This record gives sequence, C-alpha cells and structure tokens, in this order.
Amino acid sequence: NAGVTQTPKFRVLKTGQSMTLLCAQDMNHEYMYWYRQDPGMGLRLIHYSVGEGTTAKGEVPDGYNVSRLKKQNFLLGLESAAPSQTSVYFCASTLTSGSPDEQFFGPGTRLTVL
Amino acid sequence: GQNIDQPTEMTATEGAIVQINCTYQTSGFNGLFWYQQHAGEAPTFLSYNVLDGLEEKGRFSSFLSRSKGYSYLLLKELQMKDSASYLCAVLDSNYQLIWGAGTKLIIKP
Repeated sequence: NAGVTQTPKFRVLKTGQSMTLLCAQDMNHEYMYWYRQDPGMGLRLIHYSVGEGTTAKGEVPDGYNVSRLKKQNFLLGLESAAPSQTSVYFCASTLTSGSPDEQFFGPGTRLTVL
Repeated sequence: GQNIDQPTEMTATEGAIVQINCTYQTSGFNGLFWYQQHAGEAPTFLSYNVLDGLEEKGRFSSFLSRSKGYSYLLLKELQMKDSASYLCAVLDSNYQLIWGAGTKLIIKP
C-alpha cells in the first residue's frame, strides 16, 4: 500500500517549456487535489477532482490544466512554464470531501522554472 | 474574504509545553484540521475538531471555539522531533480546505 505517490520528485524547466506531473493513489479515494506551496503562504488549491472524469478549478488555476482519466491517477500539466510557477507541488487525496476525512499527501514535486 | 492566521514562528524548550493558536474567518465551517509538516516533507494529519471543546490524542491536544473563530494546538512533553511546521486548515461551506501559512516550531535542548 504505497498511499499517494508523485513523479517526478524534482524538475528544472526553462521558461516556455511544458511538463506533466503525475499523482497516483492506491486507496480507492474519490477526491484528489493539486496544491502549490510557496514560502510564507498556505497551501493553495490549483485544481481538484471529485471523481473519475471530473475536474474543477481551485483558487489558483491559471497556467495549469488537469485530467483524471482513471480514478487512481490525477495529472497536472503546465503548458508554458513561467518563473512564477516555481514552487513545491503537492497532490492529495481523500475518500470524500466531507468531514472528518483527512487528506493524504504525496511527497511533493519541487519545480524550478528558470 | 477567507482568512486564517497563525504565528509565523515559535520557539520552545525540550520537555516543555507549547500552544499554537489559529484564528479563522471563513465562509462557512465544516471542521478544523491540524497538520504537521517536517521540512522538505508532506503534511501529515494530526487532529480534527468540528464541535467546541478539547480533543486529546497522546501528547497532542486541539481545542476549538466556533463562536470565537479560534483553535489551538497544545503540544506537551516536547521532543526534538516535534520541530516542524504546524498547519491549521478550515473546511469551508464548499467543503474546500482553506490553509493557514503555518507556524514553524523550533525546539531547543
């Protein structure tokens, strides 16, 4: 039981390049989330999914796209990376959106955009 | 707007007790979570409060007052491994988690 995994763990991009971050969970969770974490700020929700085939925008969706073709996977894409997207990206999942289900987090992806 | 406030940094001594406060103003309330995050790692769940009062779990306790929009996390018998950031998060009316910026706790011998 691996929980939530993320690939890659580290990545350096040049401005304008594209990439996809992969999140996978083996807990049969319905809800999945992508956050970014920047120094001095709380976790900010980028996009989320309430089930296979569905996605929705969070607080800071601009510059990102997502897909949830399979229940266990949630992909985050950057089509044209910008230095402002330098951050640590966390994926999380939970059984339902209601309380008191806790969110389980992946180990994070550290992205630098030059 | 939605807002969660926590102190940026606190320092405490090994073996002592520390209280980390969190105040919130959110659109709706469906519970408050505390997470622990060690440097370079992912957040991990510590506690959940939805009713007023104190929830105790070993060395950690969490308190909630919904009328005051206030919570605290109490850590007893501090150990060096408790050095971490502590994140307060509120589940709002849309069942979205709103996160505070976190409190970095430094434990000194």
